[in-house]
Amino acid sequence: QVQLVQSGAEVKKPGASVRVSCKASGYSLTGYYLYWIRQAPAQGLECMGWINPNSGDTNYAQKFQGRVTMTRDTSIMTAYMELRRLTSDDTAVYYCAREWLGPDGAVWFDPWGQGTLVTVSS
Amino acid sequence: QSVLTQPPSASGTPGQRVTISCSGGSSSIASNTINWYQQLPRMAPKVLIHSNDQRPSGVPDRFSGSKSGTSASLAISGLQSEDEAIYYCAAWDDSLNVWVFGGGTKLTVL
Repeated sequence: QVQLVQSGAEVKKPGASVRVSCKASGYSLTGYYLYWIRQAPAQGLECMGWINPNSGDTNYAQKFQGRVTMTRDTSIMTAYMELRRLTSDDTAVYYCAREWLGPDGAVWFDPWGQGTLVTVSS
Repeated sequence: QSVLTQPPSASGTPGQRVTISCSGGSSSIASNTINWYQQLPRMAPKVLIHSNDQRPSGVPDRFSGSKSGTSASLAISGLQSEDEAIYYCAAWDDSLNVWVFGGGTKLTVL
C-alpha cells in the first residue's frame, strides 16, 4: 500500500523552527518528486515547494525562500521540511504529497500524507 | 487570496446535479491541465479528477471535470450525503513556477 506517514503535531514559540518528517512506504521515495503543501485554519491550500528525493534538488515558492529547507534521507525513505523564524501566521496543517506523472505527461498529487498540525503560540 | 477563484460554497439535495467552477489565468488553467481534490472532514485531500477530466480508479462516474480556456468545472451528479466535502481545483502556474490552488468550495448536501 502506497502511503506517506508524517510526524506528529508540534507546538512552537514565535521565532523558533520546526521540522516535519514524511516517511514513504509501498514505493521508492527516490522515484518521484515530493511536495510540501500547507493549509492554515479555515483556509485553502498553499504550495510551499518540492524536493527531488533522488538528486536532492529543491525548488521553493518565493514566499518561503530563505525560511524553508527541504531535505531527505534516502536510507530511511524519509523527507523533511524545516521552517524557520516561525510566526503565528505559520500555524497550519502541513502536508507532504507525492507528485504522480501520468502517461500523457500530466501530473497530480497522490497520495498525500495525513498532515501535521504546527501551532505557533507564545 | 488564492490564485484560482472558486465559489466558497455550493449546495444541493440528494440526487441533484451540482457544478463547481474554477477560474484562473493564461499562465495557469489556460496553459496547463487542471486537477480536482476532495477533502472530506478531518482528512487529507485526495485526487478526484486529474488531467482536466480523468477519474482515477475507484472514483464514481458521478464525478466529471471539464476545462475551457481559463476556466474549469467539476460536476457531481446524483448527489449523495457522502459527497459533503471541500473541493479544490489546482493547476501549475507558469509565471509563479508553483502549483496554485483555488480557495476551496464547501459542498453541503441538504
